[in-house]
Amino acid sequence: AQSVAQPEDQVNVAEGNPLTVKCTYSVSGNPYLFWYVQYPNRGLQFLLKYITGDNLVKGSYGFEAEFNKSQTSFHLKKPSALVSDSALYFCAVREDDYKLSFGAGTTVTVRA
Amino acid sequence: SAVISQKPSRDICQRGTSLTIQCQVDSQVTMMFWYRQQPGQSLTLIATANQGSEATYESGFVIDKFPISRPNLTFSTLTVSNMSPEDSSIYLCSVEGLSYGYTFGSGTRLTVV
Repeated sequence: AQSVAQPEDQVNVAEGNPLTVKCTYSVSGNPYLFWYVQYPNRGLQFLLKYITGDNLVKGSYGFEAEFNKSQTSFHLKKPSALVSDSALYFCAVREDDYKLSFGAGTTVTVRA
Repeated sequence: SAVISQKPSRDICQRGTSLTIQCQVDSQVTMMFWYRQQPGQSLTLIATANQGSEATYESGFVIDKFPISRPNLTFSTLTVSNMSPEDSSIYLCSVEGLSYGYTFGSGTRLTVV
């Protein structure tokens, strides 16, 4: 089975500093990887995905992620964090039967 | 990308009763998924719903507790039956969309008292 892991429950950064949210994956074959964000009392919003192609994927709201096959990682990054980026972030992988399997989630807090 | 309308957005229910959650998609989709998100937790897949066939349930979830209907390619319902406080969660539907990312409904926040 495919799986992803988010090793950090929480990430705290100051506004304007770089933000990184970590994700590692375990898959057989080529991975289909996703990042989602969930704001309080809201559904999940799609940020970006990696299917194939360039290892650096650019997504919504200034986020990007780097697919690293040798390290089996797909870390989410933003060069300059905003207070409004404070939310719950999920990494996900598509399984062979098309369902998504999610990581435990990382709570990001950006302080002013 | 697909747009999903999920209803109700929230509800408070008495234990022992049932609640049916609806998801309407603005385009035809083959696969729909139902997830549960318990407070402070990640998303757990309940079942996959394909039109014209019975839903496929994940380990730990059974049809008697979470019956699902999928009458056509744009609509699905999830019923939470004989509810207990442990069923208090957010329930979300989702549709497959590899090209644009899977889309999620806004969720149903269920509180069982």
